[in-house]
Amino acid sequence: DVKVTQSSRYLVKRTGEKVFLECVQDMDHENMFWYRQDPGLGLRLIYFSYDVKMKEKGDIPEGYSVSREKKERFSLILESASTNQTSMYLCASSPATGPNLNSPLHFGNGTRLTVT
Amino acid sequence: KQEVTQIPAALSVPEGENLVLNCSFTDSAIYNLQWFRQDPGKGLTSLLLIQSSQREQTSGRLNASLDKSSGRSTLYIAASQPGDSATYLCAVRVGGQNFVFGPGTRLSVLP
Repeated sequence: DVKVTQSSRYLVKRTGEKVFLECVQDMDHENMFWYRQDPGLGLRLIYFSYDVKMKEKGDIPEGYSVSREKKERFSLILESASTNQTSMYLCASSPATGPNLNSPLHFGNGTRLTVT
Repeated sequence: KQEVTQIPAALSVPEGENLVLNCSFTDSAIYNLQWFRQDPGKGLTSLLLIQSSQREQTSGRLNASLDKSSGRSTLYIAASQPGDSATYLCAVRVGGQNFVFGPGTRLSVLP
């Protein structure tokens, strides 16, 4: 079974802090994603990566950055946390395009971040 | 632009009932459609994936159908149980890294 592991289930941080959210997948997937989920707004894509050191902005990248130094690990960074970044953060992975285009998207268990 | 909707937003049924959840999408140019389950405060668990060339997929008490030409998918849950209570989301894959999610249907199965 594919496993996507997010390092923290719950985090409480203060405004202005630098926050790191870590995600690791064990299936050698090329694609990795960071979403945030808010009531009434659904899932929104923050950033994705299709290879090591490659990254692309999603729909709401402002206030976030990412890092992918190794294939299995994708980090989301909040440079200076703000209260409007309080949310559920979900990491996901999938194989690359081509023959594996019909493989499922796999999610981690989520990180509930509260910024006070 | 692809849009995905799910009706109803919430559904409450007594235990044992068969039920259908609906997912609609506006553009039929999809690679696949995936159904997920989400328990409160948790991530999304993949239930079923239907490729664009397929009509349905089954897993246990779950059956998902896809009518690409009409932009619709249904998730059929047979003999519902309280443990099926969760939010169910559908998502279409429209590109290599491009997925569009529906808002979900919150299901409550009452004992």
